[in-house]
Amino acid sequence: GAVVSQHPSWVICKSGTSVKIECRSLDFQATTMFWYRQFPKQSLMLMATSNEGSKATYEQGVEKDKFLINHASLTLSTLTVTSAHPEDSSFYICSARDLTQQVNSYGYTFGSGTRLTVV
Amino acid sequence: QKEVEQNSGPLSVPEGAIASLNCTYSDRGSQSFFWYRQYSGKSPELIMFIYSNGDKEDGRFTAQLNKASQYVSLLIRDSQPSDSATYLCAVGDSNYQLIWGAGTKLIIKP
Repeated sequence: GAVVSQHPSWVICKSGTSVKIECRSLDFQATTMFWYRQFPKQSLMLMATSNEGSKATYEQGVEKDKFLINHASLTLSTLTVTSAHPEDSSFYICSARDLTQQVNSYGYTFGSGTRLTVV
Repeated sequence: QKEVEQNSGPLSVPEGAIASLNCTYSDRGSQSFFWYRQYSGKSPELIMFIYSNGDKEDGRFTAQLNKASQYVSLLIRDSQPSDSATYLCAVGDSNYQLIWGAGTKLIIKP
C-alpha cells in the first residue's frame, strides 16, 4: 500500500531556531500534501494544503511566514518551522493522497508524525 | 461552517463487550465517512470507511451510516485492551476534503 515517510520522528530545538520536517511518498505520486498539527488531547488541526509546484494554501490563523511549506516534487514536501518558540511544540503530521486509491478511501495516507519540542 | 461532533469521552468498556462510538456531522452534502484509530503519540490509521446508508462490517468492526439523521457510528465487538485508543471520525466532501471530529478516547478495561 501507499506509504508516506516522515522525518524526523522527534526533534528538540532551542527557541529561535528553525526546524525542517520532511515527508516523502515512497511508492506513489503525491500531488497534494496536507500538514496537520495536533496538541495533546486535541484533534488534528489542518495547517495547510500544498500542491506540487505551487504555493501552499494556509488555513485561517496559521502564519505562512512562520510555517514554510515547500512541495517541489511529486514525492517530497517539507514544513519548516521558523524561529520556533515553546508554543510551537506539538505533534506535526503530514498526509498525502494517492489518487490511484481515492475511489476506495479518498486515498489518504499519513506519515508517522514528528514530535517537536522547543526549549 | 462544516462540523463533525464526537463525544470526547473517555468511554470505558469492559473487555469482551461491544464498544459503540458515535459521530454527527453538519453538512448534508457529505459524501464519505471515515473512522481512524490513533494511539497516543502515533499518527491516525484508517479503520473503516463507508459511503452508503446502512451497515458495513469488517471483522470485529461495523460502521453504521444514517444520512437522514447525519449520524455515523462505529461498533467494536469483542473489545480488546489493544482497542484502547482515540477514535477519530472524519467526513469527506465532494472535493475530497476531510473534516475531522475531535475524537473519542476509548478505554477497554481487562
